[in-house]
Formats: sequence, C-alpha cells, structure tokens
Amino acid sequence: ETGVTQTPRHLVMGMTNKKSLKCEQHLGHNAMYWYKQSAKKPLELMFVYNFKEQTENNSVPSRFSPECPNSSHLFLHLHTLQPEDSALYLCASSQEVAGGIETQYFGPGTRLLVL
Amino acid sequence: AQSVAQPEDQVNVAEGNPLTVKCTYSVSGNPYLFWYVQYPNRGLQFLLKYITGDNLVKGSYGFEAEFNKSQTSFHLKKPSALVSDSALYFCAVRDADNFNKFYFGSGTKLNVKP
Repeated sequence: ETGVTQTPRHLVMGMTNKKSLKCEQHLGHNAMYWYKQSAKKPLELMFVYNFKEQTENNSVPSRFSPECPNSSHLFLHLHTLQPEDSALYLCASSQEVAGGIETQYFGPGTRLLVL
Repeated sequence: AQSVAQPEDQVNVAEGNPLTVKCTYSVSGNPYLFWYVQYPNRGLQFLLKYITGDNLVKGSYGFEAEFNKSQTSFHLKKPSALVSDSALYFCAVRDADNFNKFYFGSGTKLNVKP
C-alpha cells in the first residue's frame, strides 16, 4: 500500500444526487491532488492543494467541489453530475520542498458511475 | 507547454524476453520525467524518475529507463519480462514552471505471455 486511502472504492449515483469522495494520506505530505482517469485518455489533473490551500483548478466544472480541511484529508464533493463524469477518480499526495521534484503517491481510486 | 506521448496502446512480449515501453516528451525547460505502473483496481505506483545525472535510471521491480535528450525520449525497459509485469504503464513529465502540475501520457498496456 502507498499510504494513501480512498473511500468509497465504488460509487453509483444518479444525476441529481449529491455525494462525496474522501482521500486520506498517512505520509505526512503537504500537497494533495485529485485526478480523473478515463479509459484510453491521459490522466487529467483536476485540483491541487498545497498546505491546505488550493493552488490549481484545471478548469474543472463547478459540479465538482474540492475541500481540504487539513493536510491529511481531501474531499471531492459531487452534485448534479453527468454520465460523462463516470471515471476513476484518483487522489495523490506528495511532499513539496523548495526546488525539489518529489514523487506523487496515489490512492487506489474511486470508480464512479453516473446513471 | 509540457506533454508526453506514449505511441503504443499495447505492447505484447513473451516471458523472459526484453521489453520496451516507449515515451516521448515535449518540455520548455529541463525535463523531469517519471514512470508509473497501475495494476488492476489499484492506483498508480511510482517506478522511477529522471531529474538529472546519468541517462540510465534504475527503478523498482528491475525496471530501468533511458533518457535520450536528442530524441526527447524516456523509454522504459526491462531485460527479462515477467508475467506479473502485465499492467498499465504511464509516463509523466512535471511542469518545470509549475511544480504542482504533472502531465501524463494515455498509458500503455503491457501484456506478458507465459
């Protein structure tokens, strides 16, 4: 295991539902990320948090809302999603240091199906 | 802009044979390159990275990658493939101007046949 956990592992939701994905890292890292993985497409970076502050929003629709209450936890709140949002959502963390190029550690992902 | 390309959707190799998974990159500054592997129902796992130094980088599970600046390539290699190496492999480059951003390829599915 990489030290990054995600719950739930699988989620089926209707387009009118509201749900949340949770990510927790046990590595003491200071940066956390959300990625979307669709079949045969590059991983898409969605959001980045450094020291609990959002530093990157990669033009993600507002139906995805991230929350980072502390440096160990990251949430992705979902509402009024579309079927094309069905994908594997991956969380990652890393330890950012000045001038450093640090490796990201990924969780197992949440497989989301929007009906 | 930074990007990586993995020209092969799938690579098939027999167990015991050498394997190569290709990756080419495009960066505006120094390249910071990574390889990750993803097993079914799992997240991505780090294999190796190139920041600077020797062009041949050794990583986990016997994998290595060769950085070639003139060809802008960072191919993943292993001298003798195992059936357990069958997985999805991703090449990635980190944005030299924004360390928060990684750019991933679309992945290459490696099939190692016994």
